[in-house]
Formats: sequence, C-alpha cells, structure tokens
Amino acid sequence: GDSVTQMEGPVTLSEEAFLTINCTYTATGYPSLFWYVQYPGEGLQLLLKATKADDKGSNKGFEATYRKETTSFHLEKGSVQVSDSAVYFCALRSAGGTSYGKLTFGQGTILTVHP
Amino acid sequence: ETGVTQTPRHLVMGMTNKKSLKCEQHLGHNAMYWYKQSAKKPLELMFVYSLEERVENNSVPSRFSPECPNSSHLFLHLHTLQPEDSALYLCASSQESSGANVLTFGAGSRLTVL
Repeated sequence: GDSVTQMEGPVTLSEEAFLTINCTYTATGYPSLFWYVQYPGEGLQLLLKATKADDKGSNKGFEATYRKETTSFHLEKGSVQVSDSAVYFCALRSAGGTSYGKLTFGQGTILTVHP
Repeated sequence: ETGVTQTPRHLVMGMTNKKSLKCEQHLGHNAMYWYKQSAKKPLELMFVYSLEERVENNSVPSRFSPECPNSSHLFLHLHTLQPEDSALYLCASSQESSGANVLTFGAGSRLTVL
C-alpha cells in the first residue's frame, strides 16, 4: 500500500537558518504530493503541492520538487523565521480512481525556530 | 464564517457519556471527512462522505457513528468511548473533481475520554 516517510524530528533551528525536511514515499503510478502545516492549536493548512514529476510547489518561501526517480518530495526554505515554528506533514494522494480525500500522511516533523 | 468550522474545540467525557462533534463547511464542497490525529501516529482517515453518502469507512469501531445530513454539515456521534480514543478529531472538506483535489481542514475538536 501507499506510505510516506518523513525525517524524524524535532528539528530546532535559529532564525534565518536553512531548512530541509526530508520526505520519501511509496506508491503506484504518479500520486499527487502535498505538504501541510499545523500551527499550535490549529488544524492542518495546505502549504504547497505538486501533481506530476519535476513539478515544483512553492508558497511563503517554502519549496518542494516532485522527484519521481528518488520518490522524494523534500521541503526546503532558505531562511526560516520564528513564525515558521509548527508541525509539517508530507502527504500523498493516489493517482486515478475514486480515492476522494484519501491522503496518506507522514508522521509529522516538529519544527522550532529560535530568535 | 468561512472555511471549515468545528465545535466544540475541546470536549471531556466519561466512558458512559454520549456526545457529538459537529463540522460545518462554508466552501460549497461536495465531500467531507473525519480524520483522527493521535500523538506520535500519522493521521488516520475515519470516514468519507461524498454528496452526503458514506463512501469510506476505515474499520472504525461502532462507538463512532458519523452523520451527514447535507453537504455542508457533518457530525461524529460518540458513545461508550475508551481512553485510547482521546485524540484530536479533524474534519475536512474538498471539491471532488479530476486532478489533485485539496482538502481544507478545520481546527479540530480535542477529545479527552476519562
């Protein structure tokens, strides 16, 4: 079945540091890939997505590129801020069929950014 | 109101109580979902409703009973829960069509079972 593996957290960085959160997946065909973010006390918000190989999703300074050859979708940001402190989830949605909202999530990575 | 609204935000109940979680979406979406978020576990899909019909039930115990009276409202009825059911319950909605349909989540209902 489908699965998503994220790097273990928590990740602690200083403000303006470079961020990478690794995400790899297992799925048949060409799934759609997502990064969601959960701020304290809130639900999940879509951060970015990519629907086909070599697509780059970007939002709020975050980027991730859909790499079919390495089955990866790593999240990066060049300069993090304290306000980026949150839990980040990588997720995939199987291609085709009636999968509805059947997202498969990684376990989440806690990011803490210090001033 | 915009987006997906969940009430209550926090709920504490005993194992013999009956309570309900409510979700309302103001986005005109045609599908709604319940997810369970437990500590140190990936999010688990519980139920999916499309056009008010249940299309997915991921082997969820019968002590959880969903209800979708219309395309904007979704309930999760709870009875005789166990302490291990304590978790954050997230509602989401989407507009199902071709392509990468994005889920919009509510803020969640934090449930504690004593």
